[in-house]
Amino acid sequence: TQLLEQSPQFLSIQEGENLTVYCNSSSVFSSLQWYRQEPGEGPVLLVTVVTGGEVKKLKRLTFQFGDARKDSSLHITAAQPGDTGLYLCAGKGDSNYQLIWGAGTKLIIKP
Amino acid sequence: NAGVTQTPKFRILKIGQSMTLQCAQDMNHNYMYWYRQDPGMGLKLIYYSVGAGITDKGEVPNGYNVSRSTTEDFPLRLELAAPSQTSVYFCASSPLGQALTNEKLFFGSGTQLSVL
Repeated sequence: TQLLEQSPQFLSIQEGENLTVYCNSSSVFSSLQWYRQEPGEGPVLLVTVVTGGEVKKLKRLTFQFGDARKDSSLHITAAQPGDTGLYLCAGKGDSNYQLIWGAGTKLIIKP
Repeated sequence: NAGVTQTPKFRILKIGQSMTLQCAQDMNHNYMYWYRQDPGMGLKLIYYSVGAGITDKGEVPNGYNVSRSTTEDFPLRLELAAPSQTSVYFCASSPLGQALTNEKLFFGSGTQLSVL
């Protein structure tokens, strides 16, 4: 069974600080996606990483896919209150139509 | 720009009652999905559809039924509601399906269901 574990489960930091959250597995994934979910809304895709070692940047957010394609990280530089939300990773599983989802990291950025 | 629309937003059911969660998309997407999201757990796929008239079970289908009579609509039916079905339900759609591309899922805003 493919599983994705996200850490930490919860993170609360001050505006302006840097942070990194992780998405780890013992299984290889052909691709991983990161979504952000705000309260009362559905997840919204931030990025898809496909190649081992790939790094993608989205303004202050940097996403990395591990060389072995078993893990990924999300680094936020100079966090802002607008970054607050639940960050979910999802990997393409063995089944054609199923994504494997992590439980998420709940991030709170305090002004 | 409606995207994926879910109704209702909130609902409280008594044990044994039935209800239908509505989902409609206006993007002409072939693929539609129903997920449930429980606290501290990842999203779990309930059912999915690859096109009108075609549905299949996901990871946690027990206690639910779906139909897909049109491209736009994908309702989820709960029969004999149980407390274990208390959750937030999300409908999603995608143009071609995760298998063919790494395309994103478009999610609705969810239905929060409590079964008491």
